[in-house]
Amino acid sequence: DTGVSQNPRHKITKRGQNVTFRCDPISEHNRLYWYRQTLGQGPEFLTYFQNEAQLEKSRLLSDRFSAERPKGSFSTLEIQRTEQGDSAMYLCASSLVGKSHEQYFGPGTRLTVT
Amino acid sequence: DAKTTQPNSMESNEEEPVHLPCNHSTISGTDYIHWYRQLPSQGPEYVIHGLTSNVNNRMASLAIAEDRKSSTLILHRATLRDAAVYYCILSSGSARQLTFGSGTQLTVLP
Repeated sequence: DTGVSQNPRHKITKRGQNVTFRCDPISEHNRLYWYRQTLGQGPEFLTYFQNEAQLEKSRLLSDRFSAERPKGSFSTLEIQRTEQGDSAMYLCASSLVGKSHEQYFGPGTRLTVT
Repeated sequence: DAKTTQPNSMESNEEEPVHLPCNHSTISGTDYIHWYRQLPSQGPEYVIHGLTSNVNNRMASLAIAEDRKSSTLILHRATLRDAAVYYCILSSGSARQLTFGSGTQLTVLP
């Protein structure tokens, strides 16, 4: 299967710890997006990359959050000094530039902060 | 992005057509209408999108009102696997980010 993959699928951490998630997009897709979804809500946009450039960030992305896509392929999302409010599903999606209406989502990483 | 309004939930019988409505009275001329769905424990899945004309693909049809203030997603023959939350989303032509609302929870009854 050549869809979007995310690792780990689940992460439990203690408040104050740092966590890092990885997203591997569909190989030819040059756009990569991160979203966050809490229980019962739709996903919320966090940030997106075109190739290695981070082009847009939501106000939801506090300074404890950082995302990278160093070689324009996989991406990482790091959360420093986690808080209980960070508990959510973190979703990654990818698309082609000319077809960004069609975003392909991964299965997500479920973060639980205790 | 302009706001959309969808019913919280709908039910359908298996093998019957389903019409999922969406109101978007403040839509701008450059807003595309997208539909995504999210099955339990999965990431969202693209269904269809359109601008002004009705659209068909292998998954569904999108009917857009003439004034573009509402649209309807049509599943021609619902199956149990179509049970999901369906999101109607407006986005500008660049479609860089999707703003999801609460969606419609579709239940398909056998």
